[in-house]
Amino acid sequence: SQQGEEDPQALSIQEGENATMNCSYKTSINNLQWYRQNSGRGLVHLILIRSNEREKHSGRLRVTLDTSKKSSSLLITASRAADTASYFCATDASSGGSNYKLTFGKGTLLTVNP
Amino acid sequence: NAGVTQTPKFQVLKTGQSMTLQCAQDMNHEYMSWYRQDPGMGLRLIHYSVGAGITDQGEVPNGYNVSRSTTEDFPLRLLSAAPSQTSVYFCASSYDVELGIPGELFFGEGSRLTVL
Repeated sequence: SQQGEEDPQALSIQEGENATMNCSYKTSINNLQWYRQNSGRGLVHLILIRSNEREKHSGRLRVTLDTSKKSSSLLITASRAADTASYFCATDASSGGSNYKLTFGKGTLLTVNP
Repeated sequence: NAGVTQTPKFQVLKTGQSMTLQCAQDMNHEYMSWYRQDPGMGLRLIHYSVGAGITDQGEVPNGYNVSRSTTEDFPLRLLSAAPSQTSVYFCASSYDVELGIPGELFFGEGSRLTVL
């Protein structure tokens, strides 16, 4: 079963606008990661946030993590047409068993219109 | 560096045939994994390895075998292909195995498999 679930499933915005995607997960984690996938390509790592961090920035990306709500958000500011892609969150599971399993959500399809 | 290389990129099989998807990485990563991606299902973990000689099952291991004889290679074997195994397969590796936790994953470009 999926540990993380992204919301919304699809998002369409105009170039220059901000895009916000959310990820909810079920069990305690050590870290949470966000990835981007362009159509027909492999996934590319964007950012990793640890469970003891609340916010992290990388260029136009801002990620927040709320462990009490078991949720994370990815904000892309001043979006560009090149940001059009699917975005996935990935989590491990810190409660018992192996932590080597990174599980992915189903993704949010972001379309940025020129 | 080539990163993570998957071959073949495309493959068509008939039900019952066997094949091996190859994955190689040149980054000296200890952690390697295989995922399958199906429409509406996201990525699901098939098998993973934390080093040569060490493999374990993921979420959907049935119908797939793996082995890890070297750090560089992590092949995925389908012993008797079924139409339900039609999917896009991704291999990924990671260098940052901290306290048993994989860090940033580096993905290959995928292998698209169709089973008729």
